[in-house]
Amino acid sequence: NAGVTQTPKFRVLKTGQSMTLLCAQDMNHEYMYWYRQDPGMGLRLIHYSVGEGTTAKGEVPDGYNVSRLKKQNFLLGLESAAPSQTSVYFCASSPRGQNQPQHFGDGTRLSIL
Amino acid sequence: GDSVTQMEGPVTLSEEAFLTINCTYTATGYPSLFWYVQYPGEGLQLLLKATKADDKGSNKGFEATYRKETTSFHLEKGSVQVSDSAVYFCALSEWTAGNKLTFGGGTRVLVKP
Repeated sequence: NAGVTQTPKFRVLKTGQSMTLLCAQDMNHEYMYWYRQDPGMGLRLIHYSVGEGTTAKGEVPDGYNVSRLKKQNFLLGLESAAPSQTSVYFCASSPRGQNQPQHFGDGTRLSIL
Repeated sequence: GDSVTQMEGPVTLSEEAFLTINCTYTATGYPSLFWYVQYPGEGLQLLLKATKADDKGSNKGFEATYRKETTSFHLEKGSVQVSDSAVYFCALSEWTAGNKLTFGGGTRVLVKP
């Protein structure tokens, strides 16, 4: 029972490098989300998707891009990493419908040097 | 816009003590309210939720009541255990496309034997 799986779990990048974080869910959920978690600030929504082929900006989208080519996958890209993007990134998914809980992955710890 | 404010931690307690974590919110509409818990090294898990005024959510000995008049959703547990050591997040969701969550900053709780 995998739920939401994030790859990789840890990564260190140099400023200016690019990378893609992968999120996969096996619960057939319609909605998927990418958050970043920084000390004392809770989780802030970066981008989200309400279905295959659709994405939308969240609270802090600058410097990130996303794609949802398949229903079960949601990719988060950093085109040119900056130290301010050092954070722990969480992916989540939820079924369609009001008040549905979100299911979270275990996170990706990303450090930008 | 929407916001969630919760007490800053860390909160340090002895086993079997009473726990309260305060949470207040600001919302433009009529939100649903959630408590999520994050154990060390893991993603967030839904602890409990309430969807309308005076609803009481409960799970694993934790309770929280949706108070519309005071815009609050305080989390309580009568007798904590060491295994309750975690970070607790209060969150709200308004009925918009994507069921987006707005999180508080999180409260770290440490229970000592």
